[in-house]
Amino acid sequence: DIQMTQSPSSLSASVGDRVTITCRASQGISNSLAWYQQKPGRAPKLLLYSISRLQSGVPSRFSGSASGTDYTLTISSLQPEDFATYYCQQYSSPLLSTFGQGTKLEI
Amino acid sequence: EVQLVESGGGLVKPGGSLRLSCAASGFTFSSYTINWVRQAPGMGLEWVSSVSGINNYIYYADSVKGRFTISRDNAKNSVFLQMDSLRAEDTAVYYCARVHRDGYLNDAFDIWGQGTMVTVSS
Repeated sequence: DIQMTQSPSSLSASVGDRVTITCRASQGISNSLAWYQQKPGRAPKLLLYSISRLQSGVPSRFSGSASGTDYTLTISSLQPEDFATYYCQQYSSPLLSTFGQGTKLEI
Repeated sequence: EVQLVESGGGLVKPGGSLRLSCAASGFTFSSYTINWVRQAPGMGLEWVSSVSGINNYIYYADSVKGRFTISRDNAKNSVFLQMDSLRAEDTAVYYCARVHRDGYLNDAFDIWGQGTMVTVSS
């Protein structure tokens, strides 16, 4: 099974800050990596797919990158509506699509 | 509007059964793989099962294999999750989610339902 190790588990930041969240895959997953934002009581929302492709309607302050099996979500300038929990997901295999543990981004 | 709507959740005793439904609208349902993802209270996301659009390829997480059965009815634009031998650890919000690109088995999940709560308790 492919494990996704996400860090940090929580993060405190301020409006206007630049923040990064990282996921490390236990083995190669090519570009099959997505990022989601989830607010309390709501379904997850797709932000980025294929590492760095922005989903329609998602602000450009969100970006994604990769180095080897490390994948990074960057929010360039935090806005009040960005405080939420973020998850990475690998989908390289249909047998088991796995999510990271989540990062709670707090003010 | 592209939409998924889950139903069928509720309170069930350990060892009991429940059938969840996911009704789709606004897109060519038969072309898309649909997944079930669950989230236990206060916890992260766990992929549960998937069914492809055309060839009906089916996959399960080890945690539900042998107890849950996924199916789809393309004529009714619906996916179902039959859950048997339920355990306390199956308590979660269950979401259905569509893959991003039609015809793809593996892909990000771009459309999610609102979720339906399943509680397994005596």
